Amino acid sequence: DAGITQSPRYKITETGRQVTLMCHQTWSHSYMFWYRQDLGHGLRLIYYSAAADITDKGEVPDGYVVSRSKTENFPLTLESATRSQTSVYFCASSSPAWGETQYFGPGTRLLVL
Amino acid sequence: GESVGLHLPTLSVQEGDNSIINCAYSNSASDYFIWYKQESGKGPQFIIDIRSNMDKRQGQRVTVLLNKTVKHLSLQIAATQPGDSAVYFCAPAGGNNRLAFGKGNQVVVIP
Repeated sequence: DAGITQSPRYKITETGRQVTLMCHQTWSHSYMFWYRQDLGHGLRLIYYSAAADITDKGEVPDGYVVSRSKTENFPLTLESATRSQTSVYFCASSSPAWGETQYFGPGTRLLVL
Repeated sequence: GESVGLHLPTLSVQEGDNSIINCAYSNSASDYFIWYKQESGKGPQFIIDIRSNMDKRQGQRVTVLLNKTVKHLSLQIAATQPGDSAVYFCAPAGGNNRLAFGKGNQVVVIP
C-alpha cells in the first residue's frame, strides 16, 4: 500500500524556470492539499482540492498553479520559479469518511538558484 | 486568520522522563484537534486526535488534554525515548477539512 507519494524528492532549478511537483495517493481520498514549510513559518497552505476539478486557494497561492483532473493526482506547478520559492513542499490528503486527519507525503525539497 | 501558538519553542527532556507540549488556539469554533510528529527529513505523521466533546484522550504513551474554556491543549509523552525527538505540531480543524498548523515545538531527548 503506497499511500501518498511525492516526486521528485529533491529538485534544483533556476530562477524563471517552470517546475512541476507531483503528488499521488492510492486511498481515493477526496481532499488533497499542498503546503510549503519554511523555518519560522511552519506549514502554510498553498492550494487545496475538495475533489477532482475543484481547487481553491490557501494562504500563499501566488506564483503557484494546481490542477486535479484525477482524484489520485494533484500536481503543483511553479510557472516561473523564484528564489523565495525555495522550500520543502508537502502534499497531504484526507477523506471525510476518515475524519479531518490529513496524511502527508514525504516532501519535495526544492532549491531555486 | 487562525492563531495557533506553542509556548516553548524547544523542549529538552531526559530519556525516561515525561514530556509536555502545550498549544494555544484562537478559534473557539474548532471542534477537532490533531497532534502531528515530524521527524527530521520526513513529513508530519499523525499521533493522536481529540474531539471537542472530550477533555482527555490516551494513546500508546501519549495523552492529549483539551481545555476548551481557555482554548488550550497539551500533549503528554510518557517515558520519553530517543525516537521521540522531533517537532510536534498541534492542528485545530479550521473548517472545509482544513487544518490550522502552529509553528511547531522541537523536542530533544537527552540520552
